[in-house]
Amino acid sequence: AQSVTQLGSHVSVSEGALVLLRCNYSSSVPPYLFWYVQYPNQGLQLLLKYTSAATLVKGINGFEAEFKKSETSFHLTKPSAHMSDAAEYFCAVWGHSGNTPLVFGKGTRLSVIA
Amino acid sequence: EPEVTQTPSHQVTQMGQEVILRCVPISNHLYFYWYRQILGQKVEFLVSFYNNEISEKSEIFDDQFSVERPDGSNFTLKIRSTKLEDSAMYFCASRIGGSWSNEQYFGPGTRLTVT
Repeated sequence: AQSVTQLGSHVSVSEGALVLLRCNYSSSVPPYLFWYVQYPNQGLQLLLKYTSAATLVKGINGFEAEFKKSETSFHLTKPSAHMSDAAEYFCAVWGHSGNTPLVFGKGTRLSVIA
Repeated sequence: EPEVTQTPSHQVTQMGQEVILRCVPISNHLYFYWYRQILGQKVEFLVSFYNNEISEKSEIFDDQFSVERPDGSNFTLKIRSTKLEDSAMYFCASRIGGSWSNEQYFGPGTRLTVT
C-alpha cells in the first residue's frame, strides 16, 4: 500500500525566496513519485516526476525535487519564488502496477508575498 | 498536444437526481480513472477502468456510482441518485499503458454542485 504525507497545509514565502514543500511517502514497492500543481479553479498539471532514474528531477517552471530513499522523501524546491507560483501543490505516489491508482497527499497551498 | 477533455465544466443538480459526467481520454490510452476532490481536501481515487471493465475501485465508489465506455472515445461516470456530499470536483485521467508508462494525464475537471 502507498501513502503520502505533506507537511504543512499552507506555506507562505516572499517573492524571490526559496520554496520548499515537503513530501514523505510510504510504499511497499519502489515508488514512482509525482508533484502536481493546481491553480485556482483549474485541473491538475504535472510539475515533475521520479521514475527510478536520476534522483534529482527537474520539472517545469524552475521546480525540482530530490528523491531520497533513506528519508522516504521527495521534497519540492524552487530557488526563487514568483508570484505566479501561488497555487496548491500535491505530491502523489504510484505503485506502478497495473491499475493501481495515484495516491495523493492532502496538498500544500503556497502563497507568495510581494 | 493531446489532452483529456471533460464536460461539462460545471454541473448543478438537485439531490436525488442522476448525473453523468463525461470524459474523452487521450485516444491511444488504455487505462482510465476517475478521481474526486471535495473542496479544500485532497484528491481521492474513485475507480480505474481497463479493457472495458472496472479494475479497481475505492470504498467511495459504491452502488450509486457506475462507469462506462459507451463508444471508442467517451468514458463516463454516472451518479445514480446524487447526495449533498457528492458535491466535488471530479477529474478524469488516462494512461497509455505498458510497464514503461507512468504518467496519468488529467482532464480539467467537472465541478459538481448538489443542492
